[in-house]
Amino acid sequence: EVQLLESGGGLVQPGGSLRLSCAASGFTFSTYAMSWVRQAPGRGLEWVSAIGGSGGTTYYADSVKGRFTVSRDNSKNTLYLQMNSLRAEDTAVYYCAAEGYFFAWGQGTLVTVSS
Amino acid sequence: DIQMTQSPSSLSASVGDRVTITCRASQGIRNDLGWYQQKPGKAPKRLIYAASTLQSGVPPRFTGSGSGTEFTLTISSLQPEDFATYFCQQHNTFPRTFGQGTQVQVK
Repeated sequence: EVQLLESGGGLVQPGGSLRLSCAASGFTFSTYAMSWVRQAPGRGLEWVSAIGGSGGTTYYADSVKGRFTVSRDNSKNTLYLQMNSLRAEDTAVYYCAAEGYFFAWGQGTLVTVSS
Repeated sequence: DIQMTQSPSSLSASVGDRVTITCRASQGIRNDLGWYQQKPGKAPKRLIYAASTLQSGVPPRFTGSGSGTEFTLTISSLQPEDFATYFCQQHNTFPRTFGQGTQVQVK
C-alpha cells in the first residue's frame, strides 16, 4: 500500500524556522518526483515546491522562493522541506504528494506561524 | 505561470443530479490535467488523471473530458458521499497550479 506520512509541523514565531519530513512507503520512492502542497485555513490548494527523483532538480513557488528548500534522502525514502523566515501567511496544512499526477498524498501536517 | 480558472465556485445539488464542473487553462496544457476530491479535514484524493483516465477504485459515475484549455468533470448521478470540494490541477509545467475549487453542497 502506498503511504506518505508527514511530520514536523507545529507552532513557530514569525521569522522562525521549521523542517517538515515526509516518509514514503509502498512504491519506488527514488523514481518519482515529489511535491509539497499547502492549504491555508478555509482556502484552496497551493503548490509550494517540487524535487526530481534524484534530487538534482528543484522548483519553487514565487511565494516561498529564497526561504524554503526542498530536499530528499532516497536511502531513507524521505522528503524534506526546510522552511526559514516564516511569515504568518505561511500558516497552512502542508501535504506531500507524489508526482505522476499526485497519485498519493500524505495526511498533512499543520504549520502555524504566530507570535 | 498557467492560470487555472474553475467554475462554479460552489453549487447546490440533490442526490441523483448530474453535476458538471469546468476548468479552463490560460494556455494549452494538452491533457495534463488532474481532478481531485477533498472532504473536510482530509487530504485530497485523486479522481481523474490525464484529463480523462479514471483512478482505480473511483466509481464510473465520475468522468473527465477535454484537452488543450477546456476541461470538464462530470458526476452522472450524485451520491451522498460525493458532497465535497473538487479541484483541478495542471501537470504540464512548473509551477503546478490548481483551480480555486468547487464546493458541491446539498440543495
